[in-house]
Parts: sequence; structure tokens; C-alpha cells
Amino acid sequence: DVKVTQSSRYLVKRTGEKVFLECVQDMDHENMFWYRQDPGLGLRLIYFSYDVKMKEKGDIPEGYSVSREKKERFSLILESASTNQTSMYLCASSLGRGGQETQYFGPGTRLLVL
Amino acid sequence: KQEVTQIPAALSVPEGENLVLNCSFTDSAIYNLQWFRQDPGKGLTSLLLIQSSQREQTSGRLNASLDKSSGRSTLYIAASQPGDSATYLCAVGHQRNTPLVFGKGTRLSVIA
Repeated sequence: DVKVTQSSRYLVKRTGEKVFLECVQDMDHENMFWYRQDPGLGLRLIYFSYDVKMKEKGDIPEGYSVSREKKERFSLILESASTNQTSMYLCASSLGRGGQETQYFGPGTRLLVL
Repeated sequence: KQEVTQIPAALSVPEGENLVLNCSFTDSAIYNLQWFRQDPGKGLTSLLLIQSSQREQTSGRLNASLDKSSGRSTLYIAASQPGDSATYLCAVGHQRNTPLVFGKGTRLSVIA
């Protein structure tokens, strides 16, 4: 079974802190994605990556950056956390290479910025 | 820009009923469509993926259909059970390997 893990289930940070959210997949997937999910707004794509060291902006990249140094790991960075970044963050991966494109999601990280 | 709509936002049914969840999308030039399930506070679990060339996919009590020309997909759940209670989301892929566009989901409650 594909497994996507996220470094934390719950996180509490202070305004202005630098925050790292990490995502690891164990199935050699090429594609990885970061979303945030908010009540009434649904899932919104922050960044995605099709390969190591590659990144593409999604719909709401402002205030975020990403890093993909290894194929299995995709990190989301909040350079200076703000209260409006309080949200549920979901990581996903998919095979790519023209194969099955089902997206597999991690369990999510619920971030509270005070 | 592709928009995906799911109506109703919430649905409550008695156990045993067959039910249909709806998903509509504005741009019919899609590559695939996926249905996901999300339990409260959890990540999403993929249920079914339909390629644009397909009309339907089945898995157990679930059947998803796709009508590209009308911009619609339905998820049919047979003989609903309380364990089916969750939020169901549909998502559309525009091209191969492009990010999905998600609907906001339908929150389903199956009452015993």
C-alpha cells in the first residue's frame, strides 16, 4: 500500500515563526502536492512538484515556499507564520510517468498560529 | 478556469437507502475525474478514478459515472451504512499529470 506520512498531526506556532511541514511518500512517486483545507473554501493547492528540485506554484503560494531535495520528501515552509495560515495542511502524491494518477493523501497537519 | 461544484453540501439518509452524490464541472475537456472520501480530521482516501474515455467505474457498493458532454459525474452508493458517513469530494484533472481541481464536498450522514 502507498503510504504518505506527514511529520506532525498537530502543531502550534507563534506569529512570525518559521514553520516546516514535512511529507514523505514511500512508493517512488514523481508527483507531490501541498494543499490547505479550510471550512467553506475546500482544498486549495499551494505548491506542487513533478520531480526532484522542481516546483510549481499552485493557486495560493503567497507566504509559502517548498523544497524537494529528495524524491520521497516534499517540505512546505512558512517563512513567517501568520494567523491567517491557521489551517489543515494536506500532502499528496501520485505516480506520474503516465501511469495511474490516483492521488494518495497523508493524514494532514492541523496548524494553529497564535 | 475549471470550477467543480457539489450539491448538496450536506445530506442525511436512513441506513439501507441507495443514494446519489452529484458533481458538476464547467470545462468538459477533462483528463480524468476522481472521487475521494474524507473522515473528520483525516486525510482523503481515493475511492474511484474515471478516465475521460470511460463512462463508469465500480468498486463494491460504489459506482461512479461520468458524462463529459454535460459536465457531470455521480457517485452512487448502494445500501448505505452508518460507516459510509463522511465527506465525499470529487476532483477533476484537466491534463495528464496536472493538479486536480476539487469540489467542496458533500457531507453524508447515514442514520442507523
